[in-house]
Amino acid sequence: SAVISQKPSRDICQRGTSLTIQCQVDSQVTMMFWYRQQPGQSLTLIATANQGSEATYESGFVIDKFPISRPNLTFSTLTVSNMSPEDSSIYLCSVTCAETYEQYFGPGTRLTVT
Amino acid sequence: DAKTTQPTSMDCAEGRAANLPCNHSTISGNEYVYWYRQIHSQGPQYIIHGLKNNETNEMASLIITEDRKSSTLILPHATLRDTAVYYCIVRGTDSWGKLQFGAGTQVVVTP
Repeated sequence: SAVISQKPSRDICQRGTSLTIQCQVDSQVTMMFWYRQQPGQSLTLIATANQGSEATYESGFVIDKFPISRPNLTFSTLTVSNMSPEDSSIYLCSVTCAETYEQYFGPGTRLTVT
Repeated sequence: DAKTTQPTSMDCAEGRAANLPCNHSTISGNEYVYWYRQIHSQGPQYIIHGLKNNETNEMASLIITEDRKSSTLILPHATLRDTAVYYCIVRGTDSWGKLQFGAGTQVVVTP
C-alpha cells in the first residue's frame, strides 16, 4: 500500500491569489494524479503528473490555471492560480500501485476561496 | 471506460449484510470493476476489484454476474463506520489512475 500526505489540509484564500498544494508519498510511484471534488459532487480528474515530463491535463483543465510540478518519484505539487470562489473544492492527490492496480488517495486539501 | 449506474442511497441495519448493486452493461472484456468508498471528509478508500471471478477480502465480497453487466458489493456485517458514499467504477488497464467517479451510493448504517 501507499501512504499519502497532503499539505495544507485546509486553507481559506482570497480571490485572485494562488495556493500550492503539496503531495508526498511514502514510496516511489511512476504516476501521480490530481483530482478535484467540488462541494456535494463526485471526484473529477484534473491531470496526470509523471516524473520528468509535463503533466497531462483532462478536458476543462489548463496548465495556466493548475500548474503541476513533479520533481521526483515521491512528490508533486498542484497550484491553484488566480483563485475565484468557484475554485472552492477539495483537491486530492492519488497514486496507482503498479503491481496490484490498487489506487490510493491522499486525505485531500479543503480549499475555500472568499 | 464504461459507465456505471448505482442507486442514489440505501439504508442498512448495523450487523446486517449490506448488498450494493451496480450496473455496467457496456463493460468491455478488459475492464475491471472497482469499488471505492468515501467516508465524510476523507479521501476515497479502495475496497476491492475484480475482472470476472467473485472476489473476497477482509473488507468485502464482490459478486460479478456471468455476463459481467452488473455486480454487487457485499459488506457482510455492516457497522456504523461503514456509513459512506460507495463508488462502483469500471476501468481498463490502460487507464492508469483515471478513475471516472459517478455519483455513487450513499449508504447509511443505522443502529
